[in-house]
Amino acid sequence: EAQVTQNPRYLITVTGKKLTVTCSQNMNHEYMSWYRQDPGLGLRQIYYSMNVEVTDKGDVPEGYKVSRKEKRNFPLILESPSPNQTSLYFCASSRPGTRWGNEQFFGPGTRLTVL
Amino acid sequence: GQQLNQSPQSMFIQEGEDVSMNCTSSSIFNTWLWYKQDPGEGPVLLIALYKAGELTSNGRLTAQFGITRKDSFLNISASIPSDVGIYFCAGHPNTGNQFYFGTGTSLTVIP
Repeated sequence: EAQVTQNPRYLITVTGKKLTVTCSQNMNHEYMSWYRQDPGLGLRQIYYSMNVEVTDKGDVPEGYKVSRKEKRNFPLILESPSPNQTSLYFCASSRPGTRWGNEQFFGPGTRLTVL
Repeated sequence: GQQLNQSPQSMFIQEGEDVSMNCTSSSIFNTWLWYKQDPGEGPVLLIALYKAGELTSNGRLTAQFGITRKDSFLNISASIPSDVGIYFCAGHPNTGNQFYFGTGTSLTVIP
């Protein structure tokens, strides 16, 4: 089954404790992206990657890091989480450059709480 | 960053009524997408639009890519209870590789 998976689905942590949220897709998509969703703000793009070893900042990259060492994986790293990073996070992937390439498929979400 | 203004913010309608929502951007977009999000899940793509003026249907849903390329519209005809959810517009500007999402329209259908 074609899908985007994220782990963990729920995470409660404390300020300053480094964490990683994993994202994996099995559709051989080049484009992968991370979003955060906050009430009243919709989804805001954190980072995206056009392909392996190519990453770029989205609208709200501060406090986050990403890496793209393999095509299927795109982990989101919070080196020193703060309470304002409490949010619902979504990973997405798509194959750009074709008519259907802009259509992103989303993972199930990771709800992060930073105390 | 880019602003996508989506309206209305929320809608409460009777089952069977038609629904309209729209999205406007401050710059020209190459792609307009409409997503629906159910509680506790990720957004799911409903309709994708790639050309100014394009009108595309998916069952009871119809979306249009505005002629100015700065707006898009989604209509749902004869609403049913399972239409409940949050609808998001999203788009890809003609420069750069970022995606932008609207703030969402929360739809409640009263049986």
